[in-house]
Amino acid sequence: DTEVTQTPKHLVMGMTNKKSLKCEQHMGHRAMYWYKQKAKKPPELMFVYSYEKLSINESVPSRFSPECPNSSLLNLHLHALQPEDSALYLCASSPRDGKNIQYFGAGTRLSVL
Amino acid sequence: AQSVTQLDSQVPVFEEAPVELRCNYSSSVSVYLFWYVQYPNQGLQLLLKYLSGSTLVKGINGFEAEFNKSQTSFHLRKPSVHISDTAEYFCAVSEGNFNKFYFGSGTKLNVKP
Repeated sequence: DTEVTQTPKHLVMGMTNKKSLKCEQHMGHRAMYWYKQKAKKPPELMFVYSYEKLSINESVPSRFSPECPNSSLLNLHLHALQPEDSALYLCASSPRDGKNIQYFGAGTRLSVL
Repeated sequence: AQSVTQLDSQVPVFEEAPVELRCNYSSSVSVYLFWYVQYPNQGLQLLLKYLSGSTLVKGINGFEAEFNKSQTSFHLRKPSVHISDTAEYFCAVSEGNFNKFYFGSGTKLNVKP
């Protein structure tokens, strides 16, 4: 089983709203990732959590706030977003075998009005 | 840092014809190589991976890829494509551990009847 589950599938929010994206995996993977993908572009890495600690932050604006409450769950808290933040947000996880094989969720399609 | 090049942004092909999607990467250090497929409005699905051993790797849906270390290439092939193969294909490179993935810019495979 290589399933990464993301909720919600779609999200529409205003620029003053606060919302959260959720990602869950039950494969025992010890690294989890957030990516942002714009149309017709490859995914861009935002954050990496390794053993529940933030290990990589790709200079993402503070209006995006990641959280890893436990080894199976990854959240992305959103606040005061801009219309240009509209995109597909993808979560991925990888096992501890050192090869960094990443398994992706189906994504959350975010629209900021 | 790695650089991953997918020279062809779009590849049109007729159904049942063979296809090759090209991928070149920059570094000759030990790397792990991946191809992912993304159908419209979905996440990325792992198609195949090269970790070590045989340079010819087979994946899902009849795809295969060949790792060529001297040419730093990892081209994806299928002997006979189907309409359902129409999708975006991403080549990715990892240097291992819980580190960055380096994605190519993607190739849109458009299979025509």
